[in-house]
Amino acid sequence: DIVLTQSPATLSLSPGERATLSCRASQSVGTYLAWYQQKPGQVPRLVIYDASNRATGIPARFSASGSGTDFTLTISSLEPEDFAVYYCQQRSNWPPEFTFGPGTKVDI
Amino acid sequence: QVQLQESGPGLVKPSETLSLTCTVSGGSITSHYWTWIRQPPGRGLEWIGYIYFSGNTNYNPSLKSRVIMAIDRSKNQFSLNLTSVTTADTAVYYCAALQQLTRFNFWGLGTLVTVSS
Repeated sequence: DIVLTQSPATLSLSPGERATLSCRASQSVGTYLAWYQQKPGQVPRLVIYDASNRATGIPARFSASGSGTDFTLTISSLEPEDFAVYYCQQRSNWPPEFTFGPGTKVDI
Repeated sequence: QVQLQESGPGLVKPSETLSLTCTVSGGSITSHYWTWIRQPPGRGLEWIGYIYFSGNTNYNPSLKSRVIMAIDRSKNQFSLNLTSVTTADTAVYYCAALQQLTRFNFWGLGTLVTVSS
């Protein structure tokens, strides 16, 4: 099974600051990596897919990179609505199976 | 825009079967793979399995022995049965659309299922 590790567990920042979140896979997932944002009491929302592509409606301040085992999500300048938990998710090659990382909480 | 809505009992007794249905609107059930994901209170996300309109399925190996998914194209619905539940199965259960077998791009609002006697 592919295990995803996210760091840090909590990121305490202020609006306007840059956030850098890390996701590491226990073995290569190519670019089958997505990021989700979840606010308290809300449904997870797709932010990034295929490692670096912004989902529909996601602002340009969100960017992501990586391939293989190491991935990064960057929020260039935090807005108040960006404070949330961010999960990475991978798809294994075949058969397709999916796991999520434990999440990084971006906190004020 | 695809919309999904979960329905089913909010309380299930231990050892019984959890049964949920997801109704798809705003799109064809032939357009995506369909999946169930759960989230225990205060914890992270766990993929349960997916189903295609053809009926092909794939389940999380850790749950495979207890999961059955089915699809009803005439009603634009798909379903989840999870057998022999325990308190560890208490969670918010989400149905979601799995796009291109890589990412979950549309989600239902989720339904809390509590396993308790």
